[in-house]
Amino acid sequence: DAMVIQNPRYQVTQFGKPVTLSCSQTLNHNVMYWYQQKSSQAPKLLFHYYDKDFNNEADTPDNFQSRRPNTSFCFLDIRSPGLGDAAMYLCATSRDRNSPYEQYFGPGTRLTVT
Amino acid sequence: GENVEQHPSTLSVQEGDSAVIKCTYSDSASNYFPWYKQELGKRPQLIIDIRSNVGEKKDQRIAVTLNKTAKHFSLHITETQPEDSAVYFCAASKVTGANNLFFGTGTRLTVIP
Repeated sequence: DAMVIQNPRYQVTQFGKPVTLSCSQTLNHNVMYWYQQKSSQAPKLLFHYYDKDFNNEADTPDNFQSRRPNTSFCFLDIRSPGLGDAAMYLCATSRDRNSPYEQYFGPGTRLTVT
Repeated sequence: GENVEQHPSTLSVQEGDSAVIKCTYSDSASNYFPWYKQELGKRPQLIIDIRSNVGEKKDQRIAVTLNKTAKHFSLHITETQPEDSAVYFCAASKVTGANNLFFGTGTRLTVIP
């Protein structure tokens, strides 16, 4: 009965080598979010999709991109990972916006950059 | 934008005692305040939330209070148990718009058996 699934759970990439993280959901939620969480810090919102409408946070580096080909899937692309991009990446979904709906988090992908 | 501050950053209590975590927010338009619990290596999970038209909400051993005038809200855990040990994050959100969550910096709670 997994609701928000992230693959892989652990990803190792080399400095500068593009990497893609994936998220899928079985909840049929309209909104999908990507957060970056560094060690001992709070999750930081990178961007979100409302349906197919992409919304980038002002301070999200250009190095981070996202795709949402359909309702169920959302991808996080890191074009040229740096050592500072090593973190846990959390995907979350919400039924809709314009209302305080709960956000459901996936288990996260821990990214290591060597 | 919204700025959420959370205190304390670490908290140790004896099993059975109460724990209180406090948060303040800056944007008076925020009107939804969830609390998430994150165990080591696991996903954040919602444990309780409160909306701005309510001053207090309780769910068994967990309660949250909100003071909109002062722009602060607090999490209260009574009769703490070792399984309550985790990192707790408060967050603030506006109902209108993207429902983006702005998180506090987290409190690492340790319940000593």
